[in-house]
Amino acid sequence: GQNIDQPTEMTATEGAIVQINCTYQTSGFNGLFWYQQHAGEAPTFLSYNVLDGLEEKGRFSSFLSRSKGYSYLLLKELQMKDSASYLCAVRGPAIDAGNMLTFGGGTRLMVKP
Amino acid sequence: DSGVTQTPKHLITATGQRVTLRCSPRSGDLSVYWYQQSLDQGLQFLIQYYNGEERAKGNILERFSAQQFPDLHSELNLSSLELGDSALYFCASSVQGNEQFFGPGTRLTVL
Repeated sequence: GQNIDQPTEMTATEGAIVQINCTYQTSGFNGLFWYQQHAGEAPTFLSYNVLDGLEEKGRFSSFLSRSKGYSYLLLKELQMKDSASYLCAVRGPAIDAGNMLTFGGGTRLMVKP
Repeated sequence: DSGVTQTPKHLITATGQRVTLRCSPRSGDLSVYWYQQSLDQGLQFLIQYYNGEERAKGNILERFSAQQFPDLHSELNLSSLELGDSALYFCASSVQGNEQFFGPGTRLTVL
């Protein structure tokens, strides 16, 4: 099965940088996704990592270490609109299982002025 | 707007009743996924269909069933509803193997 851990809440200041960590234990691994979700709204795709290393996309970057079962999402130049929940999700364990995603509980980020 | 549509947006019903939630995937996407999100459980995968066939099954109750039709839209049927079934139900679609795009969700309230 899949076990995914991420902090429940974080607080940061507008303009700052914040790193949201995610650790996972899986019986198979086929990629890690980060989604942003504002309260009551649909999750929206932020990033995808399947190989080790850093993927950068504008103000958002995501890092993966498969050997450590670890990922982080880095948000730079924080804006008030970044206040949301950030969901880490692992895909796997095998093609036979389709492309189901197992989500962590989400990290609620509050950006303060 | 993700391109995934879900109806209805809100649904209020009573315990013991049966409801059907509908999802239309993005144009060209063959895979449809259903998720349940409640306050205490987070986002839970229920079931996936690919081009009309069931592909993967998560923690879906026996009271729940789904299907995907030839035009690729999907329906999630929830029966013998209980108070604990109150949640947001999301549908997502993808091109096989790529990121999933989520619809706006259906908020189900069971009274």
